[in-house]
Amino acid sequence: NAGVTQTPKFRVLKTGQSMTLLCAQDMNHEYMYWYRQDPGMGLRLIHYSVGEGTTAKGEVPDGYNVSRLKKQNFLLGLESAAPSQTSVYFCASSYSGDGYTFGSGTRLTVV
Amino acid sequence: GNSVTQMEGPVTLSEEAFLTINCTYTATGYPSLFWYVQYPGEGLQLLLKATKADDKGSNKGFEATYRKETTSFHLEKGSVQVSDSAVYFCALHTYSGGYQKVTFGIGTKLQVIP
Repeated sequence: NAGVTQTPKFRVLKTGQSMTLLCAQDMNHEYMYWYRQDPGMGLRLIHYSVGEGTTAKGEVPDGYNVSRLKKQNFLLGLESAAPSQTSVYFCASSYSGDGYTFGSGTRLTVV
Repeated sequence: GNSVTQMEGPVTLSEEAFLTINCTYTATGYPSLFWYVQYPGEGLQLLLKATKADDKGSNKGFEATYRKETTSFHLEKGSVQVSDSAVYFCALHTYSGGYQKVTFGIGTKLQVIP
C-alpha cells in the first residue's frame, strides 16, 4: 500500500521558471491538500480539494494553482517561481473524520 | 477562529526520561484532536487521536487525553528513547463548509540523548 506519493522529491528552479508537483494517493480518499512547511511557521495550507474536479484556496494560495482531474491525483503548479516559494511542500489526503496521510515531501529551492 | 498552542522547543531529554509536550486549543464546536509526528526528512505521520471529551488516544507508548474543561491535549510518554527524536504536532480537526479543516500547532522538536 503506497499511501501518498509525491514527485519529485527535490528540485531547484531559477526565478521565473514553472513546474508542477504531483501528488498521488491510492486510498480512494475524497479530500486532498497541499501544504508548505517553513521554519518557525509550521504548516500552512495552500490549496485543497474536497473531491474530483473541485479545488479551493487555503491560507496562502497566491502564486500557486492546482488541479484535481482524477480523484487519485492532485497537482500543484508554480507558474513563475519566486525565491519566497523556497520551501518543503507536503501533500496530504484524508477520508471524512479520519486523520491525514501525508506524503514524504518535495524540497524546492528557487534561486 | 481556531488555534492550537504548543511550545516550539527544542525539548531535550535523556533516554528513559518522562515526556510531556503541552498542547492547548481554542475552537468552536466539537473538534477532534490529533498528534502527528515528523521524523527527520519525512512527512508527518498520525500518532494518536481522540474524538470527544475524556477520550484517551494511545500509540507506541504515547498517550494524550482530551480535556474539554482545560481545552488541552497534552502528549505524554513514560520512558523516551533516542528513536523518539522528532517534531511533534498537535492538531485540531473540525468541519466547516462541508470539509474537514485542520489547524496545526507550530510543532515541538524533541531531542533524546543517550
